[in-house]
Amino acid sequence: QVQLQESGPGLVKPSETLSLTCTVSGGSIRNYYWSWIRQPPGKGLEWIGYIYYSGSTNYNPSLKSRVTISVDTSKNQFSLKLSSVTAADTAVYYCARRVYGDKLDYWGQGTLVTVSS
Amino acid sequence: QSALTQPASVSGSPGQSITISCTGTSSDVGAYNYVSWYQHHPGNAPKLMIYEVSNRPSGVSNRFSGSKSGNTASLTISGLQAEDEADYYCSSYTSSSTLVFGGGTKLTVL
Repeated sequence: QVQLQESGPGLVKPSETLSLTCTVSGGSIRNYYWSWIRQPPGKGLEWIGYIYYSGSTNYNPSLKSRVTISVDTSKNQFSLKLSSVTAADTAVYYCARRVYGDKLDYWGQGTLVTVSS
Repeated sequence: QSALTQPASVSGSPGQSITISCTGTSSDVGAYNYVSWYQHHPGNAPKLMIYEVSNRPSGVSNRFSGSKSGNTASLTISGLQAEDEADYYCSSYTSSSTLVFGGGTKLTVL
């Protein structure tokens, strides 16, 4: 059974860079797309972007200028960096496996990141 | 890209059927048969309930079904049960090779 686990700081200061890692276990990171999604408090899900195991990426246009997603196949991990954060970036951040098309079939439990000084 | 449009809330009594709509554009919902639905109980990870408009993953009850007409997709839950009470989100692949979610619908089982 594939499992995903997010890790990273739960508190980030305004204007700094949010960094999270998703570790994939129970299966290979190869041959799939891997996504980041977030949910601000009291709001809906927002797709951030995805990366193919080979390194090709696609990002939400509204976040594209601040987002970088990378992959480390040797560690079965992929990562998210979001720069110049503000309070509006406070959210639960989820990582998920994307099968080609629309299907996000495995999700992590999510991690709350708060942006505050 | 704009979020897909879902009703903020729907409700139904146990045993009844409800339908949640998800309206997009010809660049997302209307462009491909790549619409998914997710069930989200707060505090838990979202769960895939429907993919590619009408396909159910293994283990998902056949009380859940999906369909699409033009730019609008729909999720129908029949024989409502108390455990179906949750937030439901649709998502679609887009012509820009991105994904977009709906705003979410809170289902209340009366």
